[in-house]
Amino acid sequence: GQQLNQSPQSMFIQEGEDVSMNCTSSSIFNTWLWYKQDPGEGPVLLIALYKAGELTSNGRLTAQFGITRKDSFLNISASIPSDVGIYFCAGYVDAGNMLTFGGGTRLMVKP
Amino acid sequence: DTAVSQTPKYLVTQMGNDKSIKCEQNLGHDTMYWYKQDSKKFLKIMFSYNNKELIINETVPNRFSPKSPDKAHLNLHINSLELGDSAVYFCASRGGNTIYFGEGSWLTVV
Repeated sequence: GQQLNQSPQSMFIQEGEDVSMNCTSSSIFNTWLWYKQDPGEGPVLLIALYKAGELTSNGRLTAQFGITRKDSFLNISASIPSDVGIYFCAGYVDAGNMLTFGGGTRLMVKP
Repeated sequence: DTAVSQTPKYLVTQMGNDKSIKCEQNLGHDTMYWYKQDSKKFLKIMFSYNNKELIINETVPNRFSPKSPDKAHLNLHINSLELGDSAVYFCASRGGNTIYFGEGSWLTVV
């Protein structure tokens, strides 16, 4: 079955630093989604990517859909304490398929 | 208004009991899901329904039975609860190519 490898598993950074995390797939995806999960809450969609090579920003967040369609990355610039949480990548081949999740990147930000 | 809402948020129950988690979405979506998140935070799909019909049924014990009375509701009933069922259960719905999650139901079986 499809698998998503997300790295790093966890990051502990200083406030103000930039953060980068990525996901790789064993097969091609046509949609990549990035979610953030705060403690005690459900995943909230941050960025959706629908086209190979697409680069999309949402405030301090930037995500890219890899050209090979087998990877995606998420960057967070100038991190702040409220960026703390678990970030998940997710993808699927088409809307009729199930969404496959990466294992998550746990981000901790030191003020 | 919460787009995808599920109840209860917290549930503590004894082994062997039967319990239900309810989910409702007010987004007008046709497709709804149940996901399970384990202690390592890994999210795994359990069921997918499209317009009240079961589309995906992953390898889930048949003690878990989803029910969709209409396309805005997808409830999860669990029979004979076991310790290993303790997890967070997320309901979700799909609009276009985007999936929206509820806030989760924390189930603890003791």
